[in-house]
Amino acid sequence: GIQVEQSPPDLILQEGANSTLRCNFSDSVNNLQWFHQNPWGQLINLFYIPSGTKQNGRLSATTVATERYSLLYISSSQTTDSGVYFCAGLSGNTPLVFGKGTRLSVIA
Amino acid sequence: DSGVTQTPKHLITATGQRVTLRCSPRSGDLSVYWYQQSLDQGLQFLIQYYNGEERAKGNILERFSAQQFPDLHSELNLSSLELGDSALYFCASTPFGQGKSYTFGSGTRLTVV
Repeated sequence: GIQVEQSPPDLILQEGANSTLRCNFSDSVNNLQWFHQNPWGQLINLFYIPSGTKQNGRLSATTVATERYSLLYISSSQTTDSGVYFCAGLSGNTPLVFGKGTRLSVIA
Repeated sequence: DSGVTQTPKHLITATGQRVTLRCSPRSGDLSVYWYQQSLDQGLQFLIQYYNGEERAKGNILERFSAQQFPDLHSELNLSSLELGDSALYFCASTPFGQGKSYTFGSGTRLTVV
């Protein structure tokens, strides 16, 4: 199955700062999603983005399928953005494979 | 509310016991997936059901089993529990087969003491 690598593993930001999280895939994917896991453990679907660019408020994501990577941009970060960000992808008929996540801490 | 319902939200049980976790997928979704997240770990795929049939199996222990019922809800049965089984167990659903956006439930936090 595919391998998913996320970077950086940990990130500490001052409130108001911007950040970019990266996700690399070992093979081409036909499904790519970004999730946010809040401190209470809830897994929230941010983007379904197998290719192209999407924006939702202060968050945006870009997937370059031909180069097997995806980026998640967080602008004007807030303390409520803290948590773990996961990307996950699948290739063919395999179930969704998750990366190990980026743990984000936003400090007021 | 994602539309995927998991019960119970929390479960504390002793080693050697057996528990059942329940998942109701979003209305109209035929596929159900179970994932396990141990402490500070990523999500590991356990098993998938599609319209009542097992479709894919991941790193699921022999002590664990699952099924999907005619009304499409699914149950994950964990038996002979060990301390290492303590984890968050998530259920997700998709409309059909693979692909498309996975929608996750809020999870069941299992603590084995």
